[in-house]
Amino acid sequence: QQPVQSPQAVILREGEDAVINCSSSKALYSVHWYRQKHGEAPVFLMILLKGGEQKGHDKISASFNEKKQQSSLYLTASQLSYSGTYFCGTEPTDKLIFGTGTRLQVFP
Amino acid sequence: DSGVTQTPKHLITATGQRVTLRCSPRSGDLSVYWYQQSLDQGLQFLIQYYNGEERAKGNILERFSAQQFPDLHSELNLSSLELGDSALYFCASSARDPPNYGYTFGSGTRLTVV
Repeated sequence: QQPVQSPQAVILREGEDAVINCSSSKALYSVHWYRQKHGEAPVFLMILLKGGEQKGHDKISASFNEKKQQSSLYLTASQLSYSGTYFCGTEPTDKLIFGTGTRLQVFP
Repeated sequence: DSGVTQTPKHLITATGQRVTLRCSPRSGDLSVYWYQQSLDQGLQFLIQYYNGEERAKGNILERFSAQQFPDLHSELNLSSLELGDSALYFCASSARDPPNYGYTFGSGTRLTVV
């Protein structure tokens, strides 16, 4: 039931791009994306509520393919501040189930 | 400051003991969620309350219980503690109507069982 994220880890240089994928074996009704820095609380990035929806936030954007039960997070021109673990989350009922996580490290 | 307040920030206790973690949701949020995060692991959903009533349950042990009070603050009670219960416990809140907002997390309570 837990969404699976890929890749598990990404290492980038500043300015490079990355894509993080989130796949579910169950139907997705909405997808959340969060970033968590080590030892800190997860921070909400965005929510996609319907298939085909795409959203952007600064240089971070996401898409939601309802039929494929997938969502992708796109980070362009990465900055040092993008480092952290990214989690997708889905709400099969009233509870948010987080994905397996993707650790992103950005180096100068 | 996210608006979600969790106390205490750190807790060290012995095996077999009982502790209570407290959470005050963001103003106006009716839903409170509890999550457990073990060292370098993902976020495991424990339980959700909405306006004082239990709404959903996850993989919460029988030794753990929670409640949400009329003023909407919530408490998570952990009893007969074991070493494996050591983890970061997060509380989050959300506005469920409309359901197009994300969850706001508190800074967490780090529980160490020795």
